[in-house]
Parts: sequence; C-alpha cells; structure tokens
Amino acid sequence: GDQVEQSPSALSLHEGTGSALRCNFTTTMRAVQWFRKNSRGSLINLFYLASGTKENGRLKSAFDSKERYSTLHIRDAQLEDSGTYFCAANYQGGRALIFGTGTTVSVSP
Amino acid sequence: DTTVKQNPRYKLARVGKPVNLICSQTMNHDTMYWYQKKPNQAPKLLLFYYDKILNREADTFEKFQSSRPNNSFCSLYIGSAGLEYSAMYLCASSRGTGGYAEQFFGPGTRLTVL
Repeated sequence: GDQVEQSPSALSLHEGTGSALRCNFTTTMRAVQWFRKNSRGSLINLFYLASGTKENGRLKSAFDSKERYSTLHIRDAQLEDSGTYFCAANYQGGRALIFGTGTTVSVSP
Repeated sequence: DTTVKQNPRYKLARVGKPVNLICSQTMNHDTMYWYQKKPNQAPKLLLFYYDKILNREADTFEKFQSSRPNNSFCSLYIGSAGLEYSAMYLCASSRGTGGYAEQFFGPGTRLTVL
C-alpha cells in the first residue's frame, strides 16, 4: 500500500487565511521534505526535517517520526502561494524519497 | 546555488533506439539520483550514484544504465527504448554520507518514445 498519504488533495484559501497540509506515513520515516512545484514544473525545496519544526516566513513545517506524520502550515495566504505542494520522505535504510500525491492549493482574493 | 540542470528538457525517441539523458550539479554533492515519473504516479527511484558507486533498484536493474565521469555530471542511459519508457525523468542530488540527506531536483526531461 501507499507509504505516504497526503491530504487534502485540493485546498482553497482566501487571501489572509491559513490552513495545513498533512502527510501520514504507514511506516517509520527518518526524514521528510516538502516541495512546491513552480510554474515551470520544477520542484522547489521548502523544508527538510529529520525531526521537530521549522519555519520560513509564512510557512511552518513539523515532523513527528514516532507518530508518523508531517504537516505544512500556510498562514496569511497570498495569491503567489497557489500551486501544488508535495511531501516526500525517506524510510529507514532507504535512499529513495517516497512522495505523497500532492496538494493543489488555490488562493483567491 | 542549489541548481540541478538537466538536458534536454524534452526528448523524442524511436522504439528500439538508445536514449541518453544528462544531469549536472555544481554543489559538489556526493550523491546523484535518477527518478522516473509517469502521469498520475509518484516519482520512482531508478538508481543513484554515491560518489563513484552505482546502486540500481532491483526492479529496474536491467532497464537503465548510468555513468558518472566526474562529481558534477551523471547520465541516464536506455539501450533500447520501449513505449513504456515514456515518462518524465528527474535528476536529484544530495550531500552527505547518510541516507537521509536533503535532495535537490532538476526540472526534469520529458521523454516520449514513439
């Protein structure tokens, strides 16, 4: 079965509001990355976490290996935050990043 | 600069012909990876180079080859393309000897086999 379950698949936000994306893991992961796909289709690195939380501007991410989940919070959403976000994680002993299915975020005025 | 470059961005190939895709990075990363991504599927790791050592995933072992003539450059080689090879090919790189280093991705090469 899928090892990385990402939700929601789509998220609509009004400017200035916030919400969270979540990835649940069916096995213990050792590190997680969050990406955003840019207009040219490239994956842009947002966060890399082996544990705990990190914050960058209006984005904040958390990773709990024991509880098997990671979150990406967007606060004070802006129009430019629209796009597709992916989580990806390494399981123990693996080099491969296992990707979630993505969340398409749409921010409207 | 955390840029991974891939050439070409689009590649058209004929069934039965060889294909060579190129990736480069100037971050002095010791590990370079190749993933395959098909529509509506997550990227799937094909192989990676840690320094000069090539590691290929078991289920794609015979389908793909790779070379890494220097630290900055890595290629993905398909000896005889089949229709099933049509996909986006993503190159990534990371620094560190551990298995959980942050990976940086290139823009991908979209391969279409006809």
